[in-house]
Amino acid sequence: AQSVAQPEDQVNVAEGNPLTVKCTYSVSGNPYLFWYVQYPNRGLQFLLKYITGDNLVKGSYGFEAEFNKSQTSFHLKKPSALVSDSALYFCAVRGRDASGGSYIPTFGRGTSLIVHP
Amino acid sequence: DSGVTQTPKHLITATGQRVTLRCSPRSGDLSVYWYQQSLDQGLQFLIQYYNGEERAKGNILERFSAQQFPDLHSELNLSSLELGDSALYFCASSAGSSNTGELFFGEGSRLTVL
Repeated sequence: AQSVAQPEDQVNVAEGNPLTVKCTYSVSGNPYLFWYVQYPNRGLQFLLKYITGDNLVKGSYGFEAEFNKSQTSFHLKKPSALVSDSALYFCAVRGRDASGGSYIPTFGRGTSLIVHP
Repeated sequence: DSGVTQTPKHLITATGQRVTLRCSPRSGDLSVYWYQQSLDQGLQFLIQYYNGEERAKGNILERFSAQQFPDLHSELNLSSLELGDSALYFCASSAGSSNTGELFFGEGSRLTVL
């Protein structure tokens, strides 16, 4: 079975400072990894994904994520945080379901990012 | 705007009742996924349809059912509602059923069971 862990319920960072939101995963086979962001009263929005190739993936709004196979991690990063980045961030992995018939995205529990002015 | 439309946005009903949530996927997307989001359980996968057929099932209760119609819109039916069914229900779509595609989410239907 596949799983995603986001060890921090909340991350606090000052505006202008770098931010990291952590994610580790467990999946059989190749990991296909995603980050989504959810603003209040909105649906999840896709930020970026890792499928293959370069371990550093760049996405929307200046976010990037680093895939580390040995540590089974896919941490989300941004060099300089903005107050408007404050939101709920979800890491997800896609792997085969129990019957092997479909690829089901499994989400972490989410990390609330709070950027202070 | 993700292109995924969910109705209703808010729904308040009583225990024991039945409700239907509706989802229209992005134009051209064949896969529809339903998720339940609650504070204690996070985002839980319920069920997936691909081009009208059920493709995968997750933690979906027997009181819940879903279908995808020929025009690709989907409905999630929740019956014999309990207080614990109060949650935000998301529909998401993707172009196919491959493992590399990202999902596009609607804004959700917030169900409150009193």
